[in-house]
Amino acid sequence: EVQLVESGGGLVQPGGSLRLSCAASGFTFSTYWMHWVRKAPGKGLVWVSRINRDGSSTTYADSVRGRFTMSRDNAKNTLYLQMNSLRAEDTAVYYCARDILTGFDDWGQGTLVTVSS
Amino acid sequence: EIVMTQSPATLSVSPGERATLSCRASQSLSSNLAWYLQKPGQAPRLLIYDASTRATGVPARFSGSGSGTEFTLTISSLQSEDFAVYYCQQYYSWPYTFGLGTKLEIK
Repeated sequence: EVQLVESGGGLVQPGGSLRLSCAASGFTFSTYWMHWVRKAPGKGLVWVSRINRDGSSTTYADSVRGRFTMSRDNAKNTLYLQMNSLRAEDTAVYYCARDILTGFDDWGQGTLVTVSS
Repeated sequence: EIVMTQSPATLSVSPGERATLSCRASQSLSSNLAWYLQKPGQAPRLLIYDASTRATGVPARFSGSGSGTEFTLTISSLQSEDFAVYYCQQYYSWPYTFGLGTKLEIK
């Protein structure tokens, strides 16, 4: 069974940093592109970032580029999102998701990030 | 960036009735479109990919159609568990973009 389990969310002040993790199991992690998607309160889903299979290539939404860094450790079957210079508008539930080239077929349950003073 | 527009924003339908949700893209996607369902407090679930192919385990009452810029998700006979928010997503070009969602509520 495919499982994606996010962790690392919490309350952080504006300008602060957090590192999210996504532990993957039940599939060959290193053979899939992976993504982070977020959902702010009362808003829709927004794609945040993606990473290729070996971690050599990443892409970011304009809203987070230069502040967020996505990475992966295929030996540990874990995905990461380092979030710096956090803003109130980054407040959201963050999901990791698996890319099957025709959509995202498996998602974690999400981790809540709240940016507030 | 491709903009995805979903309509209506909210749809009120009685259980057992048919629901039709629309998604329009700002440029042609061919058939590179997915539909997701999300319930409060839960992760999104992939329902349809390639515009009309049901994902594994998705009931046959869910069907997708369309190509190019106009797409439709139809739920033939609504069950209680179907009341949720539905999102379309294009994967034709980067960045992959979602619509704002259609909330399907009980009438």
